[in-house]
Amino acid sequence: KAGVTQTPRYLIKTRGQQVTLSCSPISGHRSVSWYQQTPGQGLQFLFEYFSETQRNKGNFPGRFSGRQFSNSRSEMNVSTLELGDSALYLCASSLDLAGDPEQFFGPGTRLTVL
Amino acid sequence: DQQVKQNSPSLSVQEGRISILNCDYTNSMFDYFLWYKKYPAEGPTFLISISSIKDKNEDGRFTVFLNKSAKHLSLHIVPSQPGDSAVYFCAASGRNSGYALNFGKGTSLLVTP
Repeated sequence: KAGVTQTPRYLIKTRGQQVTLSCSPISGHRSVSWYQQTPGQGLQFLFEYFSETQRNKGNFPGRFSGRQFSNSRSEMNVSTLELGDSALYLCASSLDLAGDPEQFFGPGTRLTVL
Repeated sequence: DQQVKQNSPSLSVQEGRISILNCDYTNSMFDYFLWYKKYPAEGPTFLISISSIKDKNEDGRFTVFLNKSAKHLSLHIVPSQPGDSAVYFCAASGRNSGYALNFGKGTSLLVTP
């Protein structure tokens, strides 16, 4: 069974631009969560989607948004990029967090904001 | 506010010996705990988990122990192998927070031949 895939793997943007990251979960998994990893803050939860609905949200500004499609694929968008948004963005999938809390991560998208 | 803490940033162990990685948490509402292993430029790889109704879970060379009263868990790797060298993250989740993972800052394990 294929794992979680994320595209692109690397991205360079400039301040003020916006970016969209994509995640395809493991087949059959309906929950997709997004995390941000930075050297200073570590791994932090952004949001979780289940059945095309945002079910949970972390403490990030509204510039960070996402969506989920009917095939469970998910996208994350960051608008008006800031230097501090430079990070590794990780997507994780699960059958359904409520019944099965184990999450499986993709390789991540490394975003650099110049 | 860091709810999950890994107080040892690094650990060095000889091949064949036991590696013990520790993790403390502050939120008593956490009811599920996980360990992940991470190599640079890759996503975390799930290793082993334990629910709060258990105090031990084993999977091959990996054993996780949970002490709820002390709000402490540990990961034992026996025997340690050079390929185990990586950063290990402890994570905790709970129903009241939608099972979002709360991660520690990680412990870098180096297993030397």
